Amino acid sequence: EAQVTQNPRYLITVTGKKLTVTCSQNMNHEYMSWYRQDPGLGLRQIYYSMNVEVTDKGDVPEGYKVSRKEKRNFPLILESPSPNQTSLYFCASSLGTGGNQPQHFGDGTRLSIL
Amino acid sequence: AQKVTQAQTEISVVEKEDVTLDCVYETRDTTYYLFWYKQPPSGELVFLIRRNSFDEQNEISGRYSWNFQKSTSSFNFTITASQVVDSAVYFCALRFGQGAQKLVFGQGTRLTINP
Repeated sequence: EAQVTQNPRYLITVTGKKLTVTCSQNMNHEYMSWYRQDPGLGLRQIYYSMNVEVTDKGDVPEGYKVSRKEKRNFPLILESPSPNQTSLYFCASSLGTGGNQPQHFGDGTRLSIL
Repeated sequence: AQKVTQAQTEISVVEKEDVTLDCVYETRDTTYYLFWYKQPPSGELVFLIRRNSFDEQNEISGRYSWNFQKSTSSFNFTITASQVVDSAVYFCALRFGQGAQKLVFGQGTRLTINP
């Protein structure tokens, strides 16, 4: 089954404790992206990647890192999480870099930073 | 600036009514792509439709229809004969930039269909 898989689905942690949210897709998609969803703000793009070893900043990259060492994986790293990073996070992928391709989203990861 | 505005934060209607969700976008790009996504109470994001800036043809899919007007920078979504299962948050999104790598979402419209 074609899917984007995020782990963990839920995480409660404390300020400053490094964490990684994994994202994996099995569709051989070139493009992957991370978003955070906050009430009243919709989804905002954090980082995106056009292909292996190619990443770039979205609208809200501060406090986050990503890597794309393999085509299927695009982990989101919070080196020193803070309470303002409490949010619902979505990973997405699409077939190519053409804008006409719809993105397939993971089921989301709810992070709470205390 | 590239921006998507969904002015309707919440809409509540009675089942079988028609309802239109508004989406207004801003972009300097001549090539761009517009999308609608549905987020049901379970939380996942479901793709509904895409449109590129060169295709102003309206589209109908069952009870859903979309009206794209470049003259007013709008991409509105209408549900005809609404059903309780249509209750969800709906997001309009704009994909733009070189290679269309960036995606901007509207704030979302929470649609509640009451029986």
